[in-house]
Amino acid sequence: GAVVSQHPSRVICKSGTSVKIECRSLDFQATTMFWYRQFPKKSLMLMATSNEGSKATYEQGVEKDKFLINHASLTLSTLTVTSAHPEDSSFYICSASLGVEQFFGPGTRLTVL
Amino acid sequence: GESVGLHLPTLSVQEGDNSIINCAYSNSASDYFIWYKQESGKGPQFIIDIRSNMDKRQGQRVTVLLNKTVKHLSLQIAATQPGDSAVYFCAERGEDSSYKLIFGSGTRLLVRP
Repeated sequence: GAVVSQHPSRVICKSGTSVKIECRSLDFQATTMFWYRQFPKKSLMLMATSNEGSKATYEQGVEKDKFLINHASLTLSTLTVTSAHPEDSSFYICSASLGVEQFFGPGTRLTVL
Repeated sequence: GESVGLHLPTLSVQEGDNSIINCAYSNSASDYFIWYKQESGKGPQFIIDIRSNMDKRQGQRVTVLLNKTVKHLSLQIAATQPGDSAVYFCAERGEDSSYKLIFGSGTRLLVRP
């Protein structure tokens, strides 16, 4: 149990376009989901905390207008990278909380050309 | 501020030997700690956790030790196998009630055949 999926697993886009990444908890309801960003050979950096039905809470230094987060249901949160640029290329990982535990998705590799 | 760090960025061990991965944390108010394993191109995978009211917890082939006096956390892997090769992260839950996790910088474990 406690499976989290992400879609797509890999995406390549042109600079200036927007990309949407989905995070789903498949077998449980998650009131809170988290979005992380990970650069090569680096640790996970929390971007924002997403609560169902309310606005996301962004970490310091993360642009909320650039990284739009929507948490419309207890099983789905989406991250939209708007007007993507090459520096947005990264590995984006979501997690969904079930009580105190967080279960992580497999990640989405974003490459912006 | 809150921070979690690791002493060794890379650890190389012989197959069959025991591995010890260390982590230091700075927030004495943290009450929950987790070890994650991350294979290349994948999301973090839960290994074992421990609450601050415990000193030791054992799982299958893994043991986590918590020393609150020196704010040190370690992961011991018994009889290390090639499949254990990955990057290992410790994480601590922040002192607020948001269930946010603060990740350490990671240790790469290489298992020599």
